[in-house]
Amino acid sequence: GDSVTQMEGPVTLSEEAFLTINCTYTATGYPSLFWYVQYPGEGLQLLLKATKADDKGSNKGFEATYRKETTSFHLEKGSVQVSDSAVYFCALGGYQKVTFGTGTKLQVIP
Amino acid sequence: DVKVTQSSRYLVKRTGEKVFLECVQDMDHENMFWYRQDPGLGLRLIYFSYDVKMKEKGDIPEGYSVSREKKERFSLILESASTNQTSMYLCASSSGLAGFVHEQYFGPGTRLTVT
Repeated sequence: GDSVTQMEGPVTLSEEAFLTINCTYTATGYPSLFWYVQYPGEGLQLLLKATKADDKGSNKGFEATYRKETTSFHLEKGSVQVSDSAVYFCALGGYQKVTFGTGTKLQVIP
Repeated sequence: DVKVTQSSRYLVKRTGEKVFLECVQDMDHENMFWYRQDPGLGLRLIYFSYDVKMKEKGDIPEGYSVSREKKERFSLILESASTNQTSMYLCASSSGLAGFVHEQYFGPGTRLTVT
């Protein structure tokens, strides 16, 4: 079945550091790929998405590229801020379901 | 903007009570979902619905039922609440015909405590 593996957290970075959160997947067919963010006490929000191979999703300075050859969708940001502290979920969408990774907690310190 | 609302942010119930969690979306989405979120376990799908009166079991349906009488509303029912159902419950909706799921929009969550 479909699965998503993302790096264990927590990840602690200083403000303005470069962020990478790794995500790899296994799936049949051609799924869409997503990154969601969850701030404390809230539901998940869509951060970015990519619907086909080589697509790059971007939003609020975050980027991720759909790499079919390496089955990856790594999240990157060039300069993190304290306000980026949250839990990040990688997910893949297909027929009748979305498969989520377990989440990576990011803490950014001033 | 898509809005998904849940009836309560916090709920405390006693063991054995029947519990209703309501979810409403305002974007005419075909698909609606109920998840529970627990530390270390991520999001687990309880039930989903891809049309009015249609429902499918997710990964952990035991102890839960659902109802979708109108397109915008999806209810989760705990027939007889137990302490192991203490959790954060998240509702989501998405567009997508024929059961294919596009990006999901989530409600703020209901933190349920069963004592």
